Amino acid sequence: GDSVTQMEGPVTLSEEAFLTINCTYTATGYPSLFWYVQYPGEGLQLLLKATKADDKGSNKGFEATYRKETTSFHLEKGSVQVSDSAVYFCALSTSGTYKYIFGTGTRLKVLA
Amino acid sequence: DGGITQSPKYLFRKEGQNVTLSCEQNLNHDAMYWYRQDPGQGLRLIYYSQIVNDFQKGDIAEGYSVSREKKESFPLTVTSAQKNPTAFYLCASSAKEGFDGELFFGEGSRLTVL
Repeated sequence: GDSVTQMEGPVTLSEEAFLTINCTYTATGYPSLFWYVQYPGEGLQLLLKATKADDKGSNKGFEATYRKETTSFHLEKGSVQVSDSAVYFCALSTSGTYKYIFGTGTRLKVLA
Repeated sequence: DGGITQSPKYLFRKEGQNVTLSCEQNLNHDAMYWYRQDPGQGLRLIYYSQIVNDFQKGDIAEGYSVSREKKESFPLTVTSAQKNPTAFYLCASSAKEGFDGELFFGEGSRLTVL
């Protein structure tokens, strides 16, 4: 079945450091790929998405490129801030289904 | 502002009691979902509904029940049959299922069994 695997956390970085959170997927169809962010005590918010191969999603300085050849959708940011501290979830959704498959989440902590 | 409202934010339950978590959306979305979140386990789907008066079990439906009598409302009942109900519960909705559809989440309800 479809699945999403993302790197385990926690990830601890200093402010202005470069961030990469790895995400790979397995899907039988042609999925859309998403990154969601969850701040403490809140629900999830969409951070960015990509709907087809080679698409790049971007928002708030974060980027991720849909790589079909490596089945990956790694999240990157060039310079993290303390306010980026949160849990990040990679997810996929396949055309024609109700299902959204989530990874287990990666906690990011950014130190001043 | 459009969005999803979950209530209550915090709920305490004694063992053997049923509790109902409310979820209301004013986004005019057809599909609604309930997820359970436990530390280190990501999100697990409990129930989902694509249209009014219809819903399907997700991956962990045992011990839970739902109804979808109105498009904007999708309440979740945690019954006494749920053996480990302490968790964070998230309601979500989407405009169209599957491909290219963004999920919109409420702020969650934290249930604690005493």
